[in-house]
Amino acid sequence: GEDVEQSLFLSVREGDSSVINCTYTDSSSTYLYWYKQEPGAGLQLLTYIFSNMDMKQDQRLTVLLNKKDKHLSLRIADTQTGDSAIYFCAESIPSGGSYIPTFGRGTSLIVHP
Amino acid sequence: DTEVTQTPKHLVMGMTNKKSLKCEQHMGHRAMYWYKQKAKKPPELMFVYSYEKLSINESVPSRFSPECPNSSLLNLHLHALQPEDSALYLCASSQTSGGYTDTQYFGPGTRLTVL
Repeated sequence: GEDVEQSLFLSVREGDSSVINCTYTDSSSTYLYWYKQEPGAGLQLLTYIFSNMDMKQDQRLTVLLNKKDKHLSLRIADTQTGDSAIYFCAESIPSGGSYIPTFGRGTSLIVHP
Repeated sequence: DTEVTQTPKHLVMGMTNKKSLKCEQHMGHRAMYWYKQKAKKPPELMFVYSYEKLSINESVPSRFSPECPNSSLLNLHLHALQPEDSALYLCASSQTSGGYTDTQYFGPGTRLTVL
């Protein structure tokens, strides 16, 4: 997780937008991912973006990529209490002939009524 | 079907026990992974199998022994574990492990407690 950094906590009110930020260091990253993990559960792939794209939208989720600054963000519109979870940013970098995701430490999103 | 299943969901074992964790996927994926995740930390890669062959071992102690009997199954055999091995063990799979398009799909994990 050293090469991928995220803030640890974000607290928002239900109905507001949430923006979770991530910075990465490896310029050879090809795909960047957002995973969601609810308490006691595995990781759920939310969305991903190819490194030659600037933006990807998928229903309530918008991913923005600034490749020059190596900055990735995930915006969740109309945040609901069910969105409370840990969100992991990951970059896919070559390792021993394979592309393995390197995860950030995760951002705990807390949604309160 | 994008499901990766893992059994058991919870496991409590003593330091002298031998147990196994199981993972299964039926998506036709040819790469499977074991990760270890401690509380409030990101997953740490342990092993990667590609086409049923071990391709990456991230310097994991020998008390953890992976096995890939076929392209759908991945096991993790546990023996003489230590209390600090208590963690959530996650299995994942992807189409292949060599391509940059390979997205990983994770199972729900096995919560392991070593007493």
